[in-house]
Amino acid sequence: GAGVSQTPSNKVTEKGKYVELRCDPISGHTALYWYRQSLGQGPEFLIYFQGTGAADDSGLPNDRFFAVRPEGSVSTLKIQRTERGDSAVYLCASSSIGGSPNEQFFGPGTRLTVL
Amino acid sequence: AQSVAQPEDQVNVAEGNPLTVKCTYSVSGNPYLFWYVQYPNRGLQFLLKYITGDNLVKGSYGFEAEFNKSQTSFHLKKPSALVSDSALYFCAVRDTTGGFKTIFGAGTRLFVKA
Repeated sequence: GAGVSQTPSNKVTEKGKYVELRCDPISGHTALYWYRQSLGQGPEFLIYFQGTGAADDSGLPNDRFFAVRPEGSVSTLKIQRTERGDSAVYLCASSSIGGSPNEQFFGPGTRLTVL
Repeated sequence: AQSVAQPEDQVNVAEGNPLTVKCTYSVSGNPYLFWYVQYPNRGLQFLLKYITGDNLVKGSYGFEAEFNKSQTSFHLKKPSALVSDSALYFCAVRDTTGGFKTIFGAGTRLFVKA
């Protein structure tokens, strides 16, 4: 079956602009995670959804970052007033049961470059 | 606070030899522990996890890992390395006391030489 997909694969924007990154999880997966990965680092947790609600948003770095999952499937990560330090690969992952520590299935990521 | 340390940026091993990729962790409660692998131009893939029970867990592609509570370690091992095992390996931990934040280490690049 289809895995986790993310669009766009690459996004180049200018400082101060608004961007949206999309994640399509595996069908039926109720848990969805967003991470960002900088060069030479491991993924950094941003936010976790169980269904439609954000159960843990403790990793969002500031109020410029926001994520939604209105119907419990597709999720969008939104970044306002982008800064050069936001440049990274943004990863999405989904898993079948969020409350249990099941394996996460990762998408290929969106590479965001802020000029 | 949760943390994960992978003390080696790179591990080099000859094909056919055993390999170990080290990981130590810090959590306030009991840990859930994971290993993921990232091949070039591919997404992160799950290898194995420790939740509870037997300290030695077996995973995909012949990998295994040993949970050592006293040393707060979860080292990844394989008895006989393959060139195709060359990739970037990440250890991750999640605290069982609440929350869903998964913390990843910085990664260890494994290079298996033929």
